[in-house]
Amino acid sequence: GDSVTQMEGPVTLSEEAFLTINCTYTATGYPSLFWYVQYPGEGLQLLLKATKADDKGSNKGFEATYRKETTSFHLEKGSVQVSDSAVYFCALISGGSNYKLTFGKGTLLTVNP
Amino acid sequence: DTEVTQTPKHLVMGMTNKKSLKCEQHMGHRAMYWYKQKAKKPPELMFVYSYEKLSINESVPSRFSPECPNSSLLNLHLHALQPEDSALYLCASSQDAVGREAKNIQYFGAGTRLSVL
Repeated sequence: GDSVTQMEGPVTLSEEAFLTINCTYTATGYPSLFWYVQYPGEGLQLLLKATKADDKGSNKGFEATYRKETTSFHLEKGSVQVSDSAVYFCALISGGSNYKLTFGKGTLLTVNP
Repeated sequence: DTEVTQTPKHLVMGMTNKKSLKCEQHMGHRAMYWYKQKAKKPPELMFVYSYEKLSINESVPSRFSPECPNSSLLNLHLHALQPEDSALYLCASSQDAVGREAKNIQYFGAGTRLSVL
């Protein structure tokens, strides 16, 4: 079945540091890949997406590239801010079950001033 | 606009109460979802509605009863819940529940935080 593995946190960084959160996946066919962010006490927000190999999703300074050869979708940001503190979920939808989001376990990011 | 609105934001109920959660979207999406999220865990799918018909029930206990009165509204009726049902309940919608690319991107509401006493 489909699965997503992401680095487990917590991750603690200083403001303006570089961020990488690793995400790899196993899926049938050609999945669509997503990063969702959940700020404290809130629901999930779609951060970025990529629907085919070599696509780069980007939003709010975050980027992730769909790498089919390494089955990866790592999240990066060049300079994090305190307001980026949240839980980040990597997720996919595959051709095997078009409706079902398969999530990673989530990574808690804390950014200190 | 990718807004999914959930009410109420917080709900406290006893084990003998009956309550309902409400979800609304005006994006013209034809698929709507209920998820349950426990603390420090990813969301777990409960139900999927496609074109106002229940298409997926992930073996959810019958004390949770979903309803889709029209294409914009999704309700979750709660009855005789247990304390372990306390969680964040999230609603999501997508353009469709099948197909690739943009059609299956799910947009989430802010959730209802439910406490069962």
